[in-house]
Amino acid sequence: DIQMTQSPSSLSASVGDRVTITCRASQGIRNDLGWYQQKPGKAPKGLIYAASSLESGVPSRFSGSGSGTEFTLTISSLQPEDFATYYCLQYNSYPRTFGQGTKVEIK
Amino acid sequence: EVQLVESGGGLVQPGGSLRLSCAASGFSFSSYWMTWVRQAPGKGLEWVANIREDESEKYYVDSVKGRFTISRDNAKNSLYLQMNSLRAEDTAVYYCARGGLVPDYWGQGTLVTVSS
Repeated sequence: DIQMTQSPSSLSASVGDRVTITCRASQGIRNDLGWYQQKPGKAPKGLIYAASSLESGVPSRFSGSGSGTEFTLTISSLQPEDFATYYCLQYNSYPRTFGQGTKVEIK
Repeated sequence: EVQLVESGGGLVQPGGSLRLSCAASGFSFSSYWMTWVRQAPGKGLEWVANIREDESEKYYVDSVKGRFTISRDNAKNSLYLQMNSLRAEDTAVYYCARGGLVPDYWGQGTLVTVSS
């Protein structure tokens, strides 16, 4: 199985900060990677697919990059509604696997 | 509007069975792969299984193989997850989601608790 490792596991940031989350795959997955945002008690919401393509309706402050084994999710200017947990998902092979999550908290 | 509504969760004893359902509306259900994802209390997301539009392909995470069966009824716009031989570690909120690569729409989930 492909292991997905996110870092950091949590971070504290202020409104307006630039935030970067990294996801590393245990083997190459081309660009078969998505990012999700989850708020407490809610279902995950898709942000990005194919490593860098924004889902419809997602604000442009979110961006993704990477290919192969290393990927990043960047929030260019953190907004109050962005405090949540973020997960990466690889869909290059079965079983699909998620990263362990990165919790973004208010500083 | 795309809607996915899960049902069938509840409390079950270890070794018991449960069948989850997901009612889909607002899109052409028969044209999409569908996926189940679960989340144990306070833990991260775990992909469980997915199924092709015509049921010709089904995939599972190793921990549920031989115990869980994913199926669908395109005439009823419904997705199912039959769960047998349930274990304490199967306790989780189970989400159904549209799509087989990067699921885009998700239901609100149904809680399954396996406990004596």
